[in-house]
Amino acid sequence: GAVVSQHPSWVICKSGTSVKIECRSLDFQATTMFWYRQFPKKSLMLMATSNEGSKATYEQGVEKDKFLINHASLTLSTLTVTSAHPEDSSFYICSALDRALSGNTIYFGEGSWLTVV
Amino acid sequence: EDQVTQSPEALRLQEGESSSLNCSYTVSGLRGLFWYRQDPGKGPEFLFTLYSAGEEKEKERLKATLTKKESFLHITAPKPEDSATYLCAVQAWDDKIIFGKGTRLHILP
Repeated sequence: GAVVSQHPSWVICKSGTSVKIECRSLDFQATTMFWYRQFPKKSLMLMATSNEGSKATYEQGVEKDKFLINHASLTLSTLTVTSAHPEDSSFYICSALDRALSGNTIYFGEGSWLTVV
Repeated sequence: EDQVTQSPEALRLQEGESSSLNCSYTVSGLRGLFWYRQDPGKGPEFLFTLYSAGEEKEKERLKATLTKKESFLHITAPKPEDSATYLCAVQAWDDKIIFGKGTRLHILP
């Protein structure tokens, strides 16, 4: 079964509104989570690295004030797209780093389709 | 500079035709190398983690191997349902994760 759950799977919002996407690690505590954006038939694009209890580290070109990331607990990170516009429509995916004693593994969520109308 | 390169970009095989996907990497200290399968419109599905050169892991028709410079994902007698994009990623000692662009695999019936 899934070890990282992402919600919602899809969302439609009006231009100018904000939308929040949640990423939960179900079977482990994740001090580090990642947020990606993916366009059709394109590779994953890392947006930011989310660290529990501290500020997220954003990749170059990603607007911090537009894509707000909060990692308030060891099992939950959220991505809020603020003042959304149609060009923000995309597939957003999160992943969580499982630092198991047997070795690290990164698990992905199921992804969230965002459509801004 | 840390880098991950996957080849080929796309691969079309007949059902039953075995082949290998390549993931070449340069990284400042390898903590782990990961393989994923991604179907269209879905999040990547974890397949394997490899930690040291010489390590091999198998799952059904897939077998992943690792050297100091590259990893191979061997697919034996593939079926149409193996069609997907296969992603490779490495984790460096500073926890930085670098993804390759993936290989789109299409198995023809």
